[in-house]
Amino acid sequence: QQQVKQSPQSLIVQKGGISIINCAYENTAFDYFPWYQQFPGKGPALLIAIRPDVSEKKEGRFTISFNKSAKQFSLHIMDSQPGDSATYFCAASMRNTDKLIFGTGTRLQVFP
Amino acid sequence: DAGITQSPRHKVTETGTPVTLRCHQTENHRYMYWYRQDPGHGLRLIHYSYGVKDTDKGEVSDGYSVSRSKTEDFLLTLESATSSQTSVYFCAISPSGDGQPQHFGDGTRLSIL
Repeated sequence: QQQVKQSPQSLIVQKGGISIINCAYENTAFDYFPWYQQFPGKGPALLIAIRPDVSEKKEGRFTISFNKSAKQFSLHIMDSQPGDSATYFCAASMRNTDKLIFGTGTRLQVFP
Repeated sequence: DAGITQSPRHKVTETGTPVTLRCHQTENHRYMYWYRQDPGHGLRLIHYSYGVKDTDKGEVSDGYSVSRSKTEDFLLTLESATSSQTSVYFCAISPSGDGQPQHFGDGTRLSIL
């Protein structure tokens, strides 16, 4: 019940296309869902996060879509650029806890 | 970038030796975390600290211990390293728990032969 399942494992997108990464969870007590971006040799960096009281959050080209009833959330990267090539992790945590549960990661490659 | 420094950045050691990794922060954040990152597993929490001398276990704590004697430093110790502990270790900090953003260091690549 503590797992966060992420798919796909890898994703290849052409420049200008839309990248979509999906995550699913079981524990309905999760109430904070961040996405992290990681470049080779670097630590993960917070990209965007959402709480379940909204169904969508947008920051620039990055959008989180959240479906509470399906217990799923996804990251959409619009107009994908080669500079977006990185590994993306979804995560979840419960209120009043200090622990993030991470998905297994998606390696995104954007080709020009 | 958040002021987080991990040391060493790379280390190669032998099975059975003790290893200590250091995380130093300049943000005066209360919470500090140690994760390991392995292919196919994402990041898994080893231990975390919610204040000086206050620590708790994560999901993969066996074989690891931690100490936090000052706000700015969080040490991860492998008492007797095993090959299964070969991994990339990340430290993270957060101003508070409960879903606050965690900021990560750039990691320590540890190889145990």
